[in-house]
Amino acid sequence: GIQVEQSPPDLILQEGANSTLRCNFSDSVNNLQWFHQNPWGQLINLFYIPSGTKQNGRLSATTVATERYSLLYISSSQTTDSGVYFCAVEQVSGTYKYIFGTGTRLKVLA
Amino acid sequence: ETGVTQTPRHLVMGMTNKKSLKCEQHLGHNAMYWYKQSAKKPLELMFVYSLEERVENNSVPSRFSPECPNSSHLFLHLHTLQPEDSALYLCASSQEDPPWIRSYNEQFFGPGTRLTVL
Repeated sequence: GIQVEQSPPDLILQEGANSTLRCNFSDSVNNLQWFHQNPWGQLINLFYIPSGTKQNGRLSATTVATERYSLLYISSSQTTDSGVYFCAVEQVSGTYKYIFGTGTRLKVLA
Repeated sequence: ETGVTQTPRHLVMGMTNKKSLKCEQHLGHNAMYWYKQSAKKPLELMFVYSLEERVENNSVPSRFSPECPNSSHLFLHLHTLQPEDSALYLCASSQEDPPWIRSYNEQFFGPGTRLTVL
């Protein structure tokens, strides 16, 4: 099956710093989502981005489907950005099957 | 608030107990999912219901039994669980179209039920 790898696994930033999180996938995908999981476990939708670039405030994401990767940019990070960031892809051949990456654990220090 | 609610939020049960987790979505979606998130592991898809019929079951042990009485409600019935079943159980929903239609299948998650099996 498809493999989804995220890097880096852990990231510590000072408040105000910028960062780039990466999601690599091993096969063609129909859809890709980025989520932020807060300390209480809630998964919050950040982007639905099977291809192209989107921006939402301090966050932006780019997916290059032909090269099988997606990037999540966080600018001017805040302590509330702390948590785990997941990408999830929907396989082309599977039916309704989303595969999650292992996540990037981000901690932003005040 | 994502439009997907789960109850209870926390559950502690013994290995001989029977309990149920409940999920409700208010988004008008036609597909619902159960995921399991264990410590330091990726989310694992357990069950998918689309149009109230189960379309995928990823070799989950029979001590987990899903039920989807309608497109807005999803249950996960638990019995004779093991300590290794302790995890965060997440429910999600999406709007699914037939495979020949390229559609917008964004998933929305509930807050989860944190289960501890003693």
